[in-house]
Amino acid sequence: GEDVEQSLFLSVREGDSSVINCTYTDSSSTYLYWYKQEPGAGLQLLTYIFSNMDMKQDQRLTVLLNKKDKHLSLRIADTQTGDSAIYFCAGDYSSASKIIFGSGTRLSIRP
Amino acid sequence: GAVVSQHPSRVICKSGTSVKIECRSLDFQATTMFWYRQFPKQSLMLMATSNEGSKATYEQGVEKDKFLINHASLTLSTLTVTSAHPEDSSFYICSAQKGGTGELFFGEGSRLTVL
Repeated sequence: GEDVEQSLFLSVREGDSSVINCTYTDSSSTYLYWYKQEPGAGLQLLTYIFSNMDMKQDQRLTVLLNKKDKHLSLRIADTQTGDSAIYFCAGDYSSASKIIFGSGTRLSIRP
Repeated sequence: GAVVSQHPSRVICKSGTSVKIECRSLDFQATTMFWYRQFPKQSLMLMATSNEGSKATYEQGVEKDKFLINHASLTLSTLTVTSAHPEDSSFYICSAQKGGTGELFFGEGSRLTVL
């Protein structure tokens, strides 16, 4: 079945770049998403990439997709304290009509 | 951007009662809506997928008689937790998939506490 995996924690210094990684097992997804969840809140869509793209950049965010390795990453440039949150990657498996989430990566920022 | 509204955001109920949570797509039509449950410090667990006008598809291990899902229109889906028990206390989140682009938009979530 479909499985999406992420590392649980990431700590970076303020101003550095953060790279959050995600691997998936099923390559039939149409879209791959990155969501941000702040404490006590719902999910905020940060960006998404079509499965036929390799890269997408949106201001401080860069998404890289390596279909061969089934690897997705989110790079946040110039990480700020407001970026502290849990980041979820998710795959849209249209054929199965479901969205599968990774376990989430908790990003913490140190001064 | 597209907005998905969930109501209520917080609800406290007594054990044995039923609670209904609404999920509305405010400015787009959503043929597919998803319901998730999030346990403390854990990821989201997909409970069910609902398509407008048809029965919801439940994930394995989710009791369809306990978690009733209705998707009566292209902008509204409801989740009813029937005969709630303390172990049903959780954060429930819905999402709506926008036709055409397939973008997924989430509600702010509903925190259910069953006493």
